[in-house]
Amino acid sequence: NAGVTQTPKFRVLKTGQSMTLLCAQDMNHEYMYWYRQDPGMGLRLIHYSVGEGTTAKGEVPDGYNVSRLKKQNFLLGLESAAPSQTSVYFCASGRAVGDGYTFGSGTRLTVV
Amino acid sequence: QQPVQSPQAVILREGEDAVINCSSSKALYSVHWYRQKHGEAPIFLMILLKGGEQKGHDKISASFNEKKQQSSLYLTASQLSYSGTYFCGTAFPGSGGGADGLTFGKGTHLIIQP
Repeated sequence: NAGVTQTPKFRVLKTGQSMTLLCAQDMNHEYMYWYRQDPGMGLRLIHYSVGEGTTAKGEVPDGYNVSRLKKQNFLLGLESAAPSQTSVYFCASGRAVGDGYTFGSGTRLTVV
Repeated sequence: QQPVQSPQAVILREGEDAVINCSSSKALYSVHWYRQKHGEAPIFLMILLKGGEQKGHDKISASFNEKKQQSSLYLTASQLSYSGTYFCGTAFPGSGGGADGLTFGKGTHLIIQP
């Protein structure tokens, strides 16, 4: 099992450019999450999904959009990248309430 | 709403014990614990649910005090492989049991020396 796969692993963007981060899980999990991790800040929730076709805002959603058209995929979009979005982005999935999350290996994004 | 972890960092010798605390200002439904090594993804360790049910690993245990809104992670006879950053993630009542995501603390850096 691959678990949770994130692509790309690294990316450098110029301010104002757009991009999409892909998260794919092969465990048939219902719940999927996007977090960003910044030094000294821990993990902060951007958006989440409790099932195919559903999405909701987390703690820091501004500047991001998401879609979950298929159960196994959760996409995170940056429409107009800003230097403040420089971060490591982690996708996570969960089978059910009461179970732990499985995290992807992360995407390191730098916006210059 | 972010839980507070303590200590921020700890250095131990191999074989020593460690306790990491996680405190919340809000009532908790559940507490997750994760370990992250540098440059890697967080790895799930265990979950503690309101009502006392516990899941997790052997050699690493945890407690959940609902009244004090606190959880503690215990690492006994630490091994070199225990080094990393430990995060607690909290879910609150009314959050779908955590379905709408966890709120993570800032982490505790644990260094185990030979």
